[in-house]
Amino acid sequence: DTAVSQTPKYLVTQMGNDKSIKCEQNLGHDTMYWYKQDSKKFLKIMFSYNNKELIINETVPNRFSPKSPDKAHLNLHINSLELGDSAVYFCASSQDRGGKSYNEQFFGPGTRLTVL
Amino acid sequence: GDSVTQMEGPVTLSEEAFLTINCTYTATGYPSLFWYVQYPGEGLQLLLKATKADDKGSNKGFEATYRKETTSFHLEKGSVQVSDSAVYFCALLPGGGSYIPTFGRGTSLIVHP
Repeated sequence: DTAVSQTPKYLVTQMGNDKSIKCEQNLGHDTMYWYKQDSKKFLKIMFSYNNKELIINETVPNRFSPKSPDKAHLNLHINSLELGDSAVYFCASSQDRGGKSYNEQFFGPGTRLTVL
Repeated sequence: GDSVTQMEGPVTLSEEAFLTINCTYTATGYPSLFWYVQYPGEGLQLLLKATKADDKGSNKGFEATYRKETTSFHLEKGSVQVSDSAVYFCALLPGGGSYIPTFGRGTSLIVHP
């Protein structure tokens, strides 16, 4: 039983293309996230989303957009891919218990994106 | 804003050596503190956590104590194994109901037989 799953695991594409990465969680969590991890393992939060609000890291280009068809899914769509978008992208989820901010995050296995 | 500072790696040890990975933080209020571990080719997973001052988190032989006076949450293990080779991330969740975490830059641990 995979708690947080992502597809695809690897994605190789050309510059300028548009691509999507899918994420699903079966934990019943109400908050989901997207992170970008660079080659030095630095983890940068891109978005967080729950039923109430979308929080966007202001440094994320608007070519990136999260799309949530329902509470268990948060997909990442990327337009006009650039070389610098090459990285590992992680989806995560957590349970926000409304005022209780001690909840750990559960991460997916990652999607390695390579832009040629 | 909130921040987490970890010692730079890689940390290279022989099997059975003692491990310390330093982590200090800056935060307003009363954050919760976490250590996550990332094994090669995998996502991060929670290793241990502490939610208030003087709490000690422990798991798989690893320990960390929430020290408010020194704003630290150092990770320790008495005897490392080759299988502990991974990247370790210190993180905090700020108090006040925010669910946006702040991660450190990660510390790579390499354990040789």
